[in-house]
Amino acid sequence: DVKVTQSSRYLVKRTGEKVFLECVQDMDHENMFWYRQDPGLGLRLIYFSYDVKMKEKGDIPEGYSVSREKKERFSLILESASTNQTSMYLCASSRRGGGSGNTIYFGEGSWLTVV
Amino acid sequence: GENVEQHPSTLSVQEGDSAVIKCTYSDSASNYFPWYKQELGKRPQLIIDIRSNVGEKKDQRIAVTLNKTAKHFSLHITETQPEDSAVYFCAATPSRDNFNKFYFGSGTKLNVKP
Repeated sequence: DVKVTQSSRYLVKRTGEKVFLECVQDMDHENMFWYRQDPGLGLRLIYFSYDVKMKEKGDIPEGYSVSREKKERFSLILESASTNQTSMYLCASSRRGGGSGNTIYFGEGSWLTVV
Repeated sequence: GENVEQHPSTLSVQEGDSAVIKCTYSDSASNYFPWYKQELGKRPQLIIDIRSNVGEKKDQRIAVTLNKTAKHFSLHITETQPEDSAVYFCAATPSRDNFNKFYFGSGTKLNVKP
């Protein structure tokens, strides 16, 4: 059974703080993703990584950075948290291979509130 | 990039009725279309998927249809039950994208009234 684990379920941070969201997957997946979920806006891709140390910007990368030093771990970093980054963040992973039916598996989500 | 539109944004049905959620996509290179169900406070989970070489797929009360020419695909739930209440997301992945980049619709909140 695929397991994608996000280290923090609920966080409250102050404006300007540096925030780290950690994600670990145990299925040796090449691809890892960070999505942001807001009501009415669906799942918006922030960043994704297709290999260790490799990353690509998604649709809304502004204000975020990522790190992938090990295959199983993908971190999302908010350099200076702002109130408009209050949201639910979903990590996900999948095997490589576009359109081949290698589906995406999600973590439980991290609810971040910036005050 | 791919653009996926999903309708309706909310859907309310009576228990036992059918529910249909529709998605359109823009990139003709997309060839894999999964559907995810997200219950309140939980992660999205795959419920059914379809590849572009198939027109329809069924799994018990859930079915998905795909019209490649029109670039749209739909989720059909028959004999709805209260536990079907959730947010449903469609997605599309272009075959050219070796990174398995998933493009999601904006979600449909389904409410099944007992």
